[in-house]
Amino acid sequence: SAVISQKPSRDICQRGTSLTIQCQVDSQVTMMFWYRQQPGQSLTLIATANQGSEATYESGFVIDKFPISRPNLTFSTLTVSNMSPEDSSIYLCSVDPGTYTDTQYFGPGTRLTVL
Amino acid sequence: AQSVTQLDSQVPVFEEAPVELRCNYSSSVSVYLFWYVQYPNQGLQLLLKYLSGSTLVESINGFEAEFNKSQTSFHLRKPSVHISDTAEYFCAVTQTFTDKLIFGTGTRLQVFP
Repeated sequence: SAVISQKPSRDICQRGTSLTIQCQVDSQVTMMFWYRQQPGQSLTLIATANQGSEATYESGFVIDKFPISRPNLTFSTLTVSNMSPEDSSIYLCSVDPGTYTDTQYFGPGTRLTVL
Repeated sequence: AQSVTQLDSQVPVFEEAPVELRCNYSSSVSVYLFWYVQYPNQGLQLLLKYLSGSTLVESINGFEAEFNKSQTSFHLRKPSVHISDTAEYFCAVTQTFTDKLIFGTGTRLQVFP
């Protein structure tokens, strides 16, 4: 498995601003993922972030709204840009720590409220 | 395309009673199956998984799930629940050798004393 931390754990932001969420892993991993969990709902994959390449976004998510950085094998950031109240969600990062383990481990999440 | 159906959005149960949380999936290819648990105000924790081998998998805290290929199900069971099992449980599926997890809508297990 892997130990994953996220910062901030929660934040309250104003409409129109941006927030960058950090995800740190205690070991080097190739694949990192970002998910959104809207209130009372399940998780939806936003994008896959592999080190050394551009993030791959799922349908309905675009780079301008959710830019992602992956500068090394233990760290990634997700920015939620030009926020609106509809962006209020829990944002979680996850990692697959090994080749063909096909198992994802999740961080504690960032609870974002947009006013 | 793959999908996951969790038929029960909420399951209330008394402490020490047995429980089953149902999960059915739809896929035309081989899959891996997972159960994750989310305790209040926390992130997701992996509870158990089926990748291959024995179709019955167990967790360290007494939960078990059985992969039934013919019924495309992966129901989660526990013979005797505890108050501390109160949480949201998510079933998830991924196509073998890929990493895209598809989650069900979740089942809220509420254990009463």
